[in-house]
Amino acid sequence: DVKVTQSSRYLVKRTGEKVFLECVQDMDHENMFWYRQDPGLGLRLIYFSYDVKMKEKGDIPEGYSVSREKKERFSLILESASTNQTSMYLCASSLVNTEAFFGQGTRLTVV
Amino acid sequence: GESVGLHLPTLSVQEGDNSIINCAYSNSASDYFIWYKQESGKGPQFIIDIRSNMDKRQGQRVTVLLNKTVKHLSLQIAATQPGDSAVYFCAEKDGSEKLVFGKGTKLTVNP
Repeated sequence: DVKVTQSSRYLVKRTGEKVFLECVQDMDHENMFWYRQDPGLGLRLIYFSYDVKMKEKGDIPEGYSVSREKKERFSLILESASTNQTSMYLCASSLVNTEAFFGQGTRLTVV
Repeated sequence: GESVGLHLPTLSVQEGDNSIINCAYSNSASDYFIWYKQESGKGPQFIIDIRSNMDKRQGQRVTVLLNKTVKHLSLQIAATQPGDSAVYFCAEKDGSEKLVFGKGTKLTVNP
């Protein structure tokens, strides 16, 4: 089975902190994605990566950056966390042109 | 100002009935479509997919229909069960690896 693991289920951070959300997949997938999910707004794509060190902006990249130094790991970085970044963050991975598999999500609260 | 979440479309059915969940897409270049199910507290799970060279695909108790003329996708669930209660999302790709989601439909199955 494909496994996508997010490092934390719940996080509480202070405004202005630098926050790292980590995601690891074990199926040698080329693509990795970061989404945020807010009530009534569905899943919105923040960034995705189609190869090591490669990244593309999604629909809402502002306030976020990403890092993919190894194929299995994709990190989402909040340079200076703000309260409007309180959300559920979901990581996913996929092979080329196939379905994506999701992790369990990280619920981030910025206070 | 603060953004307000939209109301999620809802569908309520009786156990044993068939359910039909609809999704409209706007990108005429989209050529790969996926349905996901998300239960409370979990990441989205893959249900079924369809490529643009098909108009119908069947799985176990589920059927996806694609109408490219009107850019409409539907998910049919036969003999709906209480365990089918969840939020259902359609997602699309346009030949790139960018996977974009709709806002979701909440399905409630009444015993």
